[in-house]
Amino acid sequence: AQSVAQPEDQVNVAEGNPLTVKCTYSVSGNPYLFWYVQYPNRGLQFLLKYITGDNLVKGSYGFEAEFNKSQTSFHLKKPSALVSDSALYFCAVRDTPSGGYNKLIFGAGTRLAVHP
Amino acid sequence: DGGITQSPKYLFRKEGQNVTLSCEQNLNHDAMYWYRQDPGQGLRLIYYSQIVNDFQKGDIAEGYSVSREKKESFPLTVTSAQKNPTAFYLCASRTGGTSTDTQYFGPGTRLTVL
Repeated sequence: AQSVAQPEDQVNVAEGNPLTVKCTYSVSGNPYLFWYVQYPNRGLQFLLKYITGDNLVKGSYGFEAEFNKSQTSFHLKKPSALVSDSALYFCAVRDTPSGGYNKLIFGAGTRLAVHP
Repeated sequence: DGGITQSPKYLFRKEGQNVTLSCEQNLNHDAMYWYRQDPGQGLRLIYYSQIVNDFQKGDIAEGYSVSREKKESFPLTVTSAQKNPTAFYLCASRTGGTSTDTQYFGPGTRLTVL
């Protein structure tokens, strides 16, 4: 079965420093991977996705993610963190399509706290 | 949150009462989804629908029901059979066709049982 893991419940970063939020996955077949961000009491906002092609994917708000097939990872990164980046981040993987349906499997989420 | 609206934003339910959460999208998306979010557990799929008049149970469908009579609407009913309904409920939609299209989310409804 497909699965995704976010090994850190919380990541703390100083403003201006680079940030990394980790995600590892387990899939059969080609992985389709997504990152979303959630601000308090809001829905999820799409950041970026990896389907195929370049291992470095660029997304919204200056975020990028690096796909690493050998390590089965899809870590989210940003060169210089902002206090406004503080939020809950979710990694997701597409489940194996069944009967024409497809759905996403989400990690438990990582809370990012950026300190001034 | 794009073109997906959820109402109400906050909902309070008494024990034994059914309540219906609204989800509407104007994105012309074929597929729609309902998730439940609890602290520390990420998102869990309740129901999903690929097209009008068709829907499938997700991982935690017990105590919930849905309908998909119109493409733009996918209401979720939380029945009295759902023993622990207090949670944040998120609706999402996705275009049909390629399975790699992105899901877009509404702003959510926070349901509290009194």
